[in-house]
Amino acid sequence: QKEVEQDPGPLSVPEGAIVSLNCTYSNSAFQYFMWYRQYSRKGPELLMYTYSSGNKEDGRFTAQVDKSSKYISLFIRDSQPSDSATYLCAMSDRGSTLGRLYFGRGTQLTVWP
Amino acid sequence: NAGVMQNPRHLVRRRGQEARLRCSPMKGHSHVYWYRQLPEEGLKFMVYLQKENIIDESGMPKERFSAEFPKEGPSILRIQQVVRGDSAAYFCASSPPGTAPSEQFFGPGTRLTVL
Repeated sequence: QKEVEQDPGPLSVPEGAIVSLNCTYSNSAFQYFMWYRQYSRKGPELLMYTYSSGNKEDGRFTAQVDKSSKYISLFIRDSQPSDSATYLCAMSDRGSTLGRLYFGRGTQLTVWP
Repeated sequence: NAGVMQNPRHLVRRRGQEARLRCSPMKGHSHVYWYRQLPEEGLKFMVYLQKENIIDESGMPKERFSAEFPKEGPSILRIQQVVRGDSAAYFCASSPPGTAPSEQFFGPGTRLTVL
């Protein structure tokens, strides 16, 4: 079993739709949760960063963490064609593997006009 | 404020040659991480370095791969005697000292092709 599971998609939605992206994980030591956006042939760009459980909102993006279910989500409201990219979840336990991030394989999103 | 810089952006090597990938962290950052991304896969951690120290190399193959982050100059990921399976995108990330080590900022990557 992989430590971080993420459905690779692809996911295709019309402009203006609400997008829901999810990851599950198995390591209960994970405390830090991130979402990165990666455009084709570019480096990942940090979108959201949360610690422990709860919600965090930033503009059209909302990140949710449910540690009891080992489940994290990213919601994109009023999606735009410019949101078309691959979205990667990442996590860290800050334990003996100090600094190491564990990534999901990414979900490819297309928002069509 | 320049971001993380990597060079070269594209590198082509023949089997058996050496590949050297360079990473300059963001200004003020002292932690450097290397990740590898194979086609259709997520990023896999390779190594975590601070200036002149390897902190965690548990994700790096024991043979042919090495990394350094000298006191002066960029971090270097070195792959000796490359094989076709080394073809991938290699990303470097950096983070500032004194913050949660998980806040990592990524460079544009080096795409290595082994012929």
